[in-house]
Amino acid sequence: QKEVEQNSGPLSVPEGAIASLNCTYSDRVSQSFFWYRQYSGKSPELIMSIYSNGDKEDGRFTAQLNKASQYVSLLIRDSQPSDSATYLCAVKMRGYNKLIFGAGTRLAVHP
Amino acid sequence: EAQVTQNPRYLITVTGKKLTVTCSQNMNHEYMSWYRQDPGLGLRQIYYSMNVEVTDKGDVPEGYKVSRKEKRNFPLILESPSPNQTSLYFCASSSLRERYGNTGELFFGEGSRLTVL
Repeated sequence: QKEVEQNSGPLSVPEGAIASLNCTYSDRVSQSFFWYRQYSGKSPELIMSIYSNGDKEDGRFTAQLNKASQYVSLLIRDSQPSDSATYLCAVKMRGYNKLIFGAGTRLAVHP
Repeated sequence: EAQVTQNPRYLITVTGKKLTVTCSQNMNHEYMSWYRQDPGLGLRQIYYSMNVEVTDKGDVPEGYKVSRKEKRNFPLILESPSPNQTSLYFCASSSLRERYGNTGELFFGEGSRLTVL
């Protein structure tokens, strides 16, 4: 079983809709959770981090964490074509000095 | 401007010819790491460094070497490249927080696309 799992997509949403990206992880001692965005041919860039259960909002982005269900999600409101990218979920386990990345979900926002 | 700089960005080489990919950061970060990215496999960590002269293996270290003689630089060395090392390589850095180690908030370089024939 992969440690961090994401649906590879593509997830296709119309402009203006809410895009919902999901991620599950297998290790219960996971401590910190991150969403990175990667445009085609570019490097990943951090867009959200979340450390405790609940929701964290930043502009059009909301990260949601449920440690009991080992589930983290990213909601993008009012999706724009410029949001079209691959979104990488990453998890850091307590006591480990590395991030474990999922393979990413490709999001396509069409006008 | 805060940045992580990798060189070269693109390289085609042949099996067995030693090469070095350089990485330099200007943010005074203690933590630096190398990842490779392959289709369907995501980002996998090769090596990481917590500080000068402190390095450790990641998940896929075979065939690679690193060194950390200066805080800002973390070169990746392929002593005898093979075709299975054809990949997209990223260097990343992060500050350390005393309680949790590296923050997980990584700054990535632009990537180095390596092809080994």
